[in-house]
Amino acid sequence: DTAVSQTPKYLVTQMGNDKSIKCEQNLGHDTMYWYKQDSKKFLKIMFSYNNKELIINETVPNRFSPKSPDKAHLNLHINSLELGDSAVYFCASSQGTGRSLLANYGYTFGSGTRLTVV
Amino acid sequence: GQQVMQIPQYQHVQEGEDFTTYCNSSTTLSNIQWYKQRPGGHPVFLIQLVKSGEVKKQKRLTFQFGEAKKNSSLHITATQTTDVGTYFCAGLGNQFYFGTGTSLTVIP
Repeated sequence: DTAVSQTPKYLVTQMGNDKSIKCEQNLGHDTMYWYKQDSKKFLKIMFSYNNKELIINETVPNRFSPKSPDKAHLNLHINSLELGDSAVYFCASSQGTGRSLLANYGYTFGSGTRLTVV
Repeated sequence: GQQVMQIPQYQHVQEGEDFTTYCNSSTTLSNIQWYKQRPGGHPVFLIQLVKSGEVKKQKRLTFQFGEAKKNSSLHITATQTTDVGTYFCAGLGNQFYFGTGTSLTVIP
């Protein structure tokens, strides 16, 4: 199936731990994103990569580090997890970049990773 | 900075009633997209509007882009229980932003 797949779907961990979320897309899209959705359902962009190059880096603590080994993968590593990091994290991809009309084809989202920090 | 607000934040309707969500941007948008997120699911792209005053329809859903390209609306006629979810607009200004979302509950 063509899709954006991210793992794990659920992640429960203690404060202070380090965790990673993986994302892969087989749609041939050029750009991948990480979004954070809080308890009020606000979708906030964290990072965007275009062909392995970082193009959007919003105000995110440097405990969050994205890594894109190739244009089909964008992983998110989080160090020293805090209670406030609890949220649903969505990976997404699009044909163009988030700053151009090529994003017109719409974003395809992964199914999300629900991170709970206890 | 650019903001995209949606109203209402929540809406409860009886099945069969109509529903409308409004999206307002503080800046002019090049395009507007609409997404639907079912409870426990992920946002799914519905449609895109690009032209000023554009109106598009998908079955019971009608999407409109304002003349000034700063606002948009999604109207659902005769809601069904399958319409339950959160509807997001998203638009490209200086960056691509998602709106605050409208959560729709349909009471059978």
